[in-house]
Amino acid sequence: AQTVTQSQPEMSVQEAETVTLSCTYDTSENNYYLFWYKQPPSRQMILVIRQEAYKQQNATENRFSVNFQKAAKSFSLKISDSQLGDTAMYFCACRTNFGNEKLTFGTGTRLTIIP
Amino acid sequence: DAGVIQSPRHEVTEMGQEVTLRCKPISGHNSLFWYRQTMMRGLELLIYFNNNVPIDDSGMPEDRFSAKMPNASFSTLKIQPSEPRDSAVYFCASSSRGQDEQYFGPGTRLTVT
Repeated sequence: AQTVTQSQPEMSVQEAETVTLSCTYDTSENNYYLFWYKQPPSRQMILVIRQEAYKQQNATENRFSVNFQKAAKSFSLKISDSQLGDTAMYFCACRTNFGNEKLTFGTGTRLTIIP
Repeated sequence: DAGVIQSPRHEVTEMGQEVTLRCKPISGHNSLFWYRQTMMRGLELLIYFNNNVPIDDSGMPEDRFSAKMPNASFSTLKIQPSEPRDSAVYFCASSSRGQDEQYFGPGTRLTVT
């Protein structure tokens, strides 16, 4: 079984600043995928970024990047030059590479960007 | 592409009534997932299908819940009889073979009074 832990229930940051959201996970698998999903007030779940565990290079998508520390089972999300539209709940999720495709989610971090 | 389509978007019903939620996955996707989101339990998988066959239904709360996927383009999640504790947002998601990420629908907000 997999577990995903997000220890920051809420965060806030000034517009244009950088913010880092934390996530730790536990899995017995060696091959797996990690994801960050964003859920704005519209409720839609939007994929922000993904990381394959066998890739050492940290994933980057425009202003979003991750710090993947496999040995520490840590997967943090950095948002640079934060914008008002980044205000949302952010969920970290994990799935294995084989067999069961289900996503295991953390409890989420509510991020507020302050104008 | 229209994305994952769910209906209805909102459902309000009385305790004891039957509720049916519907989902149309993205065309060509062969895996379909039903998730439930509540304040208490967060996001949790209820059941998922691969090529229309249920693979993991360990998250289905109890016999009151049932899910079907009669063909590749349609799935239902039924609750009978509904209870107030079933109030939640129910998401459907789909993915295709060889794809890591799942694409979510807009969700159905269910309120059982």
